[in-house]
Parts: sequence; C-alpha cells; structure tokens
Amino acid sequence: GAGVSQSPSNKVTEKGKDVELRCDPISGHTALYWYRQSLGQGLEFLIYFQGNSAPDKSGLPSDRFSAERTGGSVSTLTIQRTQQEDSAVYLCASSLGLHQETQYFGPGTRLLVL
Amino acid sequence: GESVGLHLPTLSVQEGDNSIINCAYSNSASDYFIWYKQESGKGPQFIIDIRSNMDKRQGQRVTVLLNKTVKHLSLQIAATQPGDSAVYFCAEREDQGAQKLVFGQGTRLTINP
Repeated sequence: GAGVSQSPSNKVTEKGKDVELRCDPISGHTALYWYRQSLGQGLEFLIYFQGNSAPDKSGLPSDRFSAERTGGSVSTLTIQRTQQEDSAVYLCASSLGLHQETQYFGPGTRLLVL
Repeated sequence: GESVGLHLPTLSVQEGDNSIINCAYSNSASDYFIWYKQESGKGPQFIIDIRSNMDKRQGQRVTVLLNKTVKHLSLQIAATQPGDSAVYFCAEREDQGAQKLVFGQGTRLTINP
C-alpha cells in the first residue's frame, strides 16, 4: 500500500478483555514503531522494531503490553486484561531503517475500554 | 472529530498571514528534529525535518529553524491557508543510537478567514 495502515480503526472493549491491534508498514520499511496518544497528551513511545527484533521496548507501560513482528512486515500490539487507562489512540509508524529517520504514521486505532 | 488535546497552546492567524510555531526541546544531545501536522481524527503527517548540524531548512511554504544554543525549534508556515488548521507537534531524537522520537505537547493552529 501507499502508506502505513492500521486495523481496526476503532475498538471498544470491556475492562479485562484482551485486544490485538495490527499495523502494516510501508512496503520496504524495515523499522516499525508503536506510540500511544492519550487525550490531552502528546505521543508516547511504546516499542520499536528493526526487522523482527525489538531493540527498544522501554516504553511499554506494563507487562500487559506486548508486541511482535513477523516476516519483517506486519506487527501486532497486544494488550492483555485491558484497563480503562489503556483507552487511547495507538499509532504505528514506519521508516526505511537505521539512519533513515523519517517516521511515517498510520491513521491509528482508537481504543476505548469500558 | 477527536480532540488531540484539550489544553494545548493555541495560535490563531489570519488566512494569508505567516505563522510561527515554537518548540523548546529538552536534550542538548538530540541530533534530529521533525515537525508533524495532525488533523482531527488522523495520524501525524510529516512536514519537515532537520539534523542538528543544520540551523535552517526550507520546504514548500515551510521553514524549520534550529537554535541549539537555547534548544529552540520553530516552524514557519508562509501564506497560511485554511487547510493548515491542525495540531502541530515537534519531536526530537535524543541520540543517534535511539530510534524513538520524543514528542512535544503540540500547538493548535487555527486559520481565520
């Protein structure tokens, strides 16, 4: 595709349920990033992938959050036992790779935990 | 549409005027800076970037200025148009070994007709 795509665009879930958010990066981009944007706040880094490995997971807020990337392309962010404070927009970005810094963002997944 | 932030700094300018959006960054070791535009309900859209070995870079209708002495970044938009209304974020990369971006709070730009 022409840009980063994310699915679903919106997700409403009940507290305690698990959710999976998907990101398809721009074709050929080896680096992939997840950020979170809460209402009233800026973007917060979660995790970064180079290929299938995650050199930097420092932003994951708790062990309920995990992410994987397979085939150097699609990535899935999983939130287990969701809490109301997990409600936010989850944004994915990709870049060509190391030393190619420009990150291009997808439209985001709006997660609401009731 | 969704509100990106409820208490963002705001800037209102008349259509056709130039606008300047400012950003103070925190880390003197940051080596790369980038500006994004975010419209309601959408993801951030790349506008322009600059490395720390430069102090000015120009694009189409936009200019980014970097003052490392005072750790200040600005985005100038020439001849603003209604479509420029959005929230603008600056972001920094804190060192070359890190790939993550650290984002500022954002500034809401409103263009008045």
